[in-house]
Amino acid sequence: EAGVAQSPRYKIIEKRQSVAFWCNPISGHATLYWYQQILGQGPKLLIQFQNNGVVDDSQLPKDRFSAERLKGVDSTLKIQPAKLEDSAVYLCASSWRAGNSPLHFGNGTRLTVT
Amino acid sequence: GDSVTQMEGPVTLSEEAFLTINCTYTATGYPSLFWYVQYPGEGLQLLLKATKADDKGSNKGFEATYRKETTSFHLEKGSVQVSDSAVYFCALKTGANSKLTFGKGITLSVRP
Repeated sequence: EAGVAQSPRYKIIEKRQSVAFWCNPISGHATLYWYQQILGQGPKLLIQFQNNGVVDDSQLPKDRFSAERLKGVDSTLKIQPAKLEDSAVYLCASSWRAGNSPLHFGNGTRLTVT
Repeated sequence: GDSVTQMEGPVTLSEEAFLTINCTYTATGYPSLFWYVQYPGEGLQLLLKATKADDKGSNKGFEATYRKETTSFHLEKGSVQVSDSAVYFCALKTGANSKLTFGKGITLSVRP
């Protein structure tokens, strides 16, 4: 089966600019996750969708980050305006459903904010 | 809140050496435990998991046993290979809709 697709692979922007990341989950997976992985740290959940509804966005900095999953398939994560501390790898993952279904991760988007 | 603590790294071993990577956890409730691996240039992959106390997860020669009494889930392999060089993450999940909580990860380098 095709894996989780993410784009772009790399992005370099200046602070205060905006950026968007795209994720296409595995076909049929109802649950989609966005994680932020800062260098030297483990991934941290930003937002979890079940179909097109938000299940958990408690760690999403809502003043600058937004995410949507229209039609319960693809998802976009946006940062506006970006700060230096947003430099990280942004990982998208999907699972068949919530619970103990294994997560399948994409290769991530490496964001550098200068 | 839930948390995962991994031993400090990086770890460098010679090929065929024995590997132990320590992982301990704090959780409210009864977590499922996971080891994920990230090979260079690739995404995170599930390596193994255990869902209840005394379960042993195993895959690709790696093993980890869910120890409730010591709140640990240490990863072991009897003989590492160069191809095992990667970053290893311990993680936990409590409840059906809870998030996966990761440790900081540890980099393993295996030299020929």
